Amino acid sequence: ETGVTQTPRHLVMGMTNKKSLKCEQHLGHNAMYWYKQSAKKPLELMFVYSLEERVENNSVPSRFSPECPNSSHLFLHLHTLQPEDSALYLCASSQERVAGLETQYFGPGTRLLVL
Amino acid sequence: GDSVTQMEGPVTLSEEAFLTINCTYTATGYPSLFWYVQYPGEGLQLLLKATKADDKGSNKGFEATYRKETTSFHLEKGSVQVSDSAVYFCALSAGGYQKVTFGTGTKLQVIP
Repeated sequence: ETGVTQTPRHLVMGMTNKKSLKCEQHLGHNAMYWYKQSAKKPLELMFVYSLEERVENNSVPSRFSPECPNSSHLFLHLHTLQPEDSALYLCASSQERVAGLETQYFGPGTRLLVL
Repeated sequence: GDSVTQMEGPVTLSEEAFLTINCTYTATGYPSLFWYVQYPGEGLQLLLKATKADDKGSNKGFEATYRKETTSFHLEKGSVQVSDSAVYFCALSAGGYQKVTFGTGTKLQVIP
């Protein structure tokens, strides 16, 4: 039980489709993250939300659009994706504190295939 | 910028063999270091961590020591089991907003 859930677990979409990935954390954390995991590449941080405000966007293409309506939910809206966007998308959460580093807790991921 | 280098896998071992997965890092300041594990079909789970030089993190029989002089954080286990088969990621955090830099991962396969 990681406390972070993601839906759907698998998604196949065409390049003209619009879909959304959902992440929910049940840990009372105040920061949430989207990562992209591709084969043979390091995990890539895409977006960070702290206290429901986006604090980092690592030059992610605009076809990926995050939304964080509250501290427990995080969405990633997808539109006009490319085949190279096929990957495992991982959500994580953590508790931001003034001092000290807190561990990130990951969800199981959504396996995305873009045709 | 920050970076993490891990040995390339896959690593295949027989059950009860000794495991070492090498990890070295480059970072400014004094990062915290982590090992995460990803079992098939699951997300990443924190395995162990160390927050300062000479600290040893340990969990489930795995150990890693923060070596500042060699900028390393090698993962070891004395006797692996089939259930340890997974992908292991070395990571560091040295920046704000808990930004974590991951290595590419090392796949471990343990055969009976």
